[in-house]
Amino acid sequence: DGGITQSPKYLFRKEGQNVTLSCEQNLNHDAMYWYRQDPGQGLRLIYYSQIVNDFQKGDIAEGYSVSREKKESFPLTVTSAQKNPTAFYLCASSGKLGRVVTGELFFGEGSRLTVL
Amino acid sequence: KNQVEQSPQSLIILEGKNCTLQCNYTVSPFSNLRWYKQDTGRGPVSLTIMTFSENTKSNGRYTATLDADTKQSSLHITASQLSDSASYICVVTPRFSGGYNKLIFGAGTRLAVHP
Repeated sequence: DGGITQSPKYLFRKEGQNVTLSCEQNLNHDAMYWYRQDPGQGLRLIYYSQIVNDFQKGDIAEGYSVSREKKESFPLTVTSAQKNPTAFYLCASSGKLGRVVTGELFFGEGSRLTVL
Repeated sequence: KNQVEQSPQSLIILEGKNCTLQCNYTVSPFSNLRWYKQDTGRGPVSLTIMTFSENTKSNGRYTATLDADTKQSSLHITASQLSDSASYICVVTPRFSGGYNKLIFGAGTRLAVHP
């Protein structure tokens, strides 16, 4: 089945460690996104990529890094510079209609990161 | 500042009852407004999408309405079921945003359906 796969589902990190969250999609979508979800707040955009080998900072990119070496993959690294990394992280993708990224936004199942 | 406000923050209803969730937005102009359902610990799943020119859209027991004049949308759930227990998120896409990097998400309404 087509979809977006995030892993791991749960992740624990000690302070000072970097961790990488995986996001893979087989929907042949050009655009991929990483969002952070905290209780009582709307989703906030961390990074997005509309094409391979290109990505842009979102609203809260500090302390995070990404890569887009393949169309199917968009991993997110939470670095030790991220001061409050405990959150639920959601990866998403969307297709393109002509030149404009449009259509449905599909989400993965999420990864919950907890800093010990 | 573009904002999306949802109310109530949380809601408890009995199985079989109807309920209505509200979404007020200040985004203008906008391309479309979506409602998502998010089960606890899962990713959001799309329920409805309405363009700025549409007034209503249904998906089974879910009916979304849109009043572009008052900048309000509502999601009505009919004959609620236990499986409707989830968070419901309102999302607005500003027009001319050039992509989904400009989506504005509401904080969601957490619905609990009790037997």
